[in-house]
Amino acid sequence: EAGVAQSPRYKIIEKRQSVAFWCNPISGHATLYWYQQILGQGPKLLIQFQNNGVVDDSQLPKDRFSAERLKGVDSTLKIQPAKLEDSAVYLCASTRLPGQAYNEQFFGPGTRLTVL
Amino acid sequence: AQKVTQAQTEISVVEKEDVTLDCVYETRDTTYYLFWYKQPPSGELVFLIRRNSFDEQNEISGRYSWNFQKSTSSFNFTITASQVVDSAVYFCALSEARGNKLVFGAGTILRVKS
Repeated sequence: EAGVAQSPRYKIIEKRQSVAFWCNPISGHATLYWYQQILGQGPKLLIQFQNNGVVDDSQLPKDRFSAERLKGVDSTLKIQPAKLEDSAVYLCASTRLPGQAYNEQFFGPGTRLTVL
Repeated sequence: AQKVTQAQTEISVVEKEDVTLDCVYETRDTTYYLFWYKQPPSGELVFLIRRNSFDEQNEISGRYSWNFQKSTSSFNFTITASQVVDSAVYFCALSEARGNKLVFGAGTILRVKS
């Protein structure tokens, strides 16, 4: 079974530029998450999708961040415009069953973003 | 609100030493789940264990063991006879029953030297 795929693995941009990250969850996984992991900190949830609907986006800075999962499979996270404090690793995760707190999440390798 | 505290920022040990990683959590829910994840240098978080709030039995899996104590709100992780391959960042996380939202601690960097 293939794991969670993310691309690109690394991205360097100037502040005020735009950037997009892509995630393909494990086949059949209904729930998809995007996390932001700042250096030295634990991952922080940005947004949670169940199929193609948003379950929780309470910590997503909606003035600059957006995310979509149009067909309930892969997902894109966008930042526009980027700020210096957006430098972080962006992790995508998925779970097989929706809405179950005991589910282990399967994580992708992440995209390391550096904003100069 | 839920919170996870990992007070140890970094631990260094010599191979074959035992090491314990501490985790203290806060939650108002009576039903919740605790997790440990490992993040090796490759960056991918790897699931290690899950515990629900009604199961305080300690667990052992090979060189890994976990001690869950509700009385002290702790869920500590011990590696016996550590190996260089154990070097990674270890995260403790909490999920409340009403949603599958993981709240992570800040992580503990474990360095095992040969």
